[in-house]
Amino acid sequence: NAGVTQTPKFQVLKTGQSMTLQCAQDMNHNSMYWYRQDPGMGLRLIYYSASEGTTDKGEVPNGYNVSRLNKREFSLRLESAAPSQTSVYFCASRDIEKLFFGSGTQLSVL
Amino acid sequence: ILNVEQSPQSLHVQEGDSTNFTCSFPSSNFYALHWYRWETAKSPEALFVMTLNGDEKKKGRISATLNTKEGYSYLYIKGSQPEDSATYLCAFRNYGGSQGNLIFGKGTKLSVKP
Repeated sequence: NAGVTQTPKFQVLKTGQSMTLQCAQDMNHNSMYWYRQDPGMGLRLIYYSASEGTTDKGEVPNGYNVSRLNKREFSLRLESAAPSQTSVYFCASRDIEKLFFGSGTQLSVL
Repeated sequence: ILNVEQSPQSLHVQEGDSTNFTCSFPSSNFYALHWYRWETAKSPEALFVMTLNGDEKKKGRISATLNTKEGYSYLYIKGSQPEDSATYLCAFRNYGGSQGNLIFGKGTKLSVKP
């Protein structure tokens, strides 16, 4: 069982570039989440998807878009990257109440 | 604005010491309290999810208690080992919040010296 798989692990972008972070889970979970982790802050929710075909904004959605492609996959897109989006990004899926996290993507925007 | 506070921010103990830290959360409309263990260069892993006032959970040398009426949870580690070194996160969810409304604290970073 792979659990939650995130790609890429590292990425460096220039301001204004776009990219998509990929996430897939093989645990048949309905709910999936994207968080960002910044120094001195708790994990903050960007977007989540309660089920296939639905997405909702979290605490810090500005500058991001998401797609719940199917039950397994939930991608996060930065259309025009900004230095403020330099962060570590975590995808997670939920089993009843417990979250299962991917290994994270370290993103730097120069 | 819902706020989850964890203390202390960091903790340094010797191998064999027992230690505990605190998570404080709003006491109204409580639904669930989570504890996660986050080792450096890895992803957070769930330790406990607690839903009832007075809940006590245990996994090996790690245990947690919950007081929903006063809005706090304690995490205890008995006989700390170097492999316990990690950041311990708590997260709170309330009734009436959306599925996404899991509010994380900033964590307590534990370092255990051999």
